Formats: sequence, structure tokens, C-alpha cells
Amino acid sequence: GAGVSQSPSNKVTEKGKDVELRCDPISGHTALYWYRQSLGQGLEFLIYFQGNSAPDKSGLPSDRFSAERTGGSVSTLTIQRTQQEDSAVYLCASSLDMGLGGYTFGSGTRLTVV
Amino acid sequence: QQQVKQSPQSLIVQKGGISIINCAYENTAFDYFPWYQQFPGKGPALLIAIRPDVSEKKEGRFTISFNKSAKQFSLHIMDSQPGDSATYFCAASNTGNQFYFGTGTSLTVIP
Repeated sequence: GAGVSQSPSNKVTEKGKDVELRCDPISGHTALYWYRQSLGQGLEFLIYFQGNSAPDKSGLPSDRFSAERTGGSVSTLTIQRTQQEDSAVYLCASSLDMGLGGYTFGSGTRLTVV
Repeated sequence: QQQVKQSPQSLIVQKGGISIINCAYENTAFDYFPWYQQFPGKGPALLIAIRPDVSEKKEGRFTISFNKSAKQFSLHIMDSQPGDSATYFCAASNTGNQFYFGTGTSLTVIP
């Protein structure tokens, strides 16, 4: 596609429920990243995927968070047993290669845990 | 540990004025320094970027100044316009690795 597509754009869930956030990167982009942005805060790195290499999961805040990337394209970020502190905007980005030419971000998924 | 430190947190500038946002880093292996602009409800968008082999890069009203010895870089917005009101993030990376972002600067340009 022309840009990075994320769905849903907004998600309200009850505390304790699981949620799945989807990212469809730009076609041909081999690198894909997930970031979290809390209200008025900066961008917190969560995880990145590069081609067929093992993902760097070093930013995931707890074992309730996981992500996968199928076929080197679409990625899903899963949050299990959501907590109120998980409320944030989850941003996905992709790039042609790691660190080259900058990222292209999607518009994000705003997650609200009530 | 904050890899990239950004200031100020917020900035108010009159229309036509110069907006200046500063960033500092510690890792001398960083070799790519982009700036991102984010409007409400949107993801950050690449605005301008620089590599450490040059001290300045200008694109229209936007200029990055880079001081390698001081490990600092800054974004200058000349002739600031109300449409420039947004949040700006600096970032740094070592090519082939993840980006590290600053905490962001909320810029408001008053008409």
C-alpha cells in the first residue's frame, strides 16, 4: 500500500481482556517496528522485526505483550490481560532497511482500557 | 537511560519568528539524526535528517545544525507559521539498529 496501515484506529477494552493490534507495512519494507506513545510522552520502543531474523523484543514491558510478523509483512501486537496502564497510542513503522532513510509511521491505534 | 535528550518540552513562538529545538546524545556510534513532526491524531512523519559528515542541512524553512564534538543537534524553523504547530521529535540511530527518540517538543505558533 501507499503507507503504513494500522487497525483498528481506536479500541476500547475492559481491563483483563486481550487485544490484538494490526499493522500492514509498506510493501517491500523489510523492517517493522512497534512503539508506544503515552499521553504527552515520547516514543517508547517495543519490538522490531528485520527480514527473517529473530525479532528484538527488548522493549516489551512485560510478558503480557507479544508480537508476530507473518510472511515478512503484516504484524500483530497482542496484549493479554490488559491493564489501565496499557492505555496509549500504539504506533507501527516500517522502513526499507534497518535505520536507513528513516521510518514511515502509521497513524496508530489508540487503546483505552477501562 | 535516555539515549537522546530533547529540550524544551514546549515552545511558544510568534508567527514569523524562529523556533529552535535542541537535542543531545551520548552514543558516538550514532550516525543518522532525523527529526519527525507529529500532528494530533497522526503518526510522526519524517521532516528532515542529517548524517554527521555535515554540520548543517537546510530544506526550505527547516534547518538542522549538527555539532559532532558537542554531540548536539538542533532544529531551526525559520519564519514559523501557525501550520507548524505540532510536536517535534528528534531521533538518533546507528545504521542497522533501532532509532532512539527524544521526548518531544510541543510547538505552538501564535498568529
